[in-house]
Amino acid sequence: NAGVMQNPRHLVRRRGQEARLRCSPMKGHSHVYWYRQLPEEGLKFMVYLQKENIIDESGMPKERFSAEFPKEGPSILRIQQVVRGDSAAYFCASRLGVNTEAFFGQGTRLTVV
Amino acid sequence: QQQVKQSPQSLIVQKGGISIINCAYENTAFDYFPWYQQFPGKGPALLIAIRPDVSEKKEGRFTISFNKSAKQFSLHIMDSQPGDSATYFCAAAATGNQFYFGTGTSLTVIP
Repeated sequence: NAGVMQNPRHLVRRRGQEARLRCSPMKGHSHVYWYRQLPEEGLKFMVYLQKENIIDESGMPKERFSAEFPKEGPSILRIQQVVRGDSAAYFCASRLGVNTEAFFGQGTRLTVV
Repeated sequence: QQQVKQSPQSLIVQKGGISIINCAYENTAFDYFPWYQQFPGKGPALLIAIRPDVSEKKEGRFTISFNKSAKQFSLHIMDSQPGDSATYFCAAAATGNQFYFGTGTSLTVIP
């Protein structure tokens, strides 16, 4: 049973470009969370999705950031017009249900140059 | 506002010693308290978790102690090993909601 898969592992974008981060949850998991981590800091919640629905996006910046979890395929975190401050590690986690363990992927390290 | 407060920020322990990391929370709706271990360049890995209906849970060298009335929980690592050197995060969640993470504890186990 493969774990949570994130790709790419590393992503370099120039300022103003778009970044698309993908997360394939564990098999059977329909709940996906996205978190952001800055160096030497904790994990900051961004968005919680359940197949085709956004459950909680209270941690997501109102502009430039969007997330989706379609019926088929991975969850996507999209950052438009990236700025240097978007450089961070982005992790997704998946759960089987609302009251089960959450497992994290290895993250995507975004560098904006 | 930090929903989960974690201490200490860093910890140095001799090999064979006990590492203790503490967390506190305010939201009484939290009903799930996991601990994660993270190595540099890797994602957080679930270590052990507890629910408020028990006061202690042990898995191998790792034990969670939970004090519901004080709204505190802690991770104890017995017989600490150099391979345990990592950053540890506590977290809390209410059913159906996001996880709130502590700020992390950097543990170094000296041989």
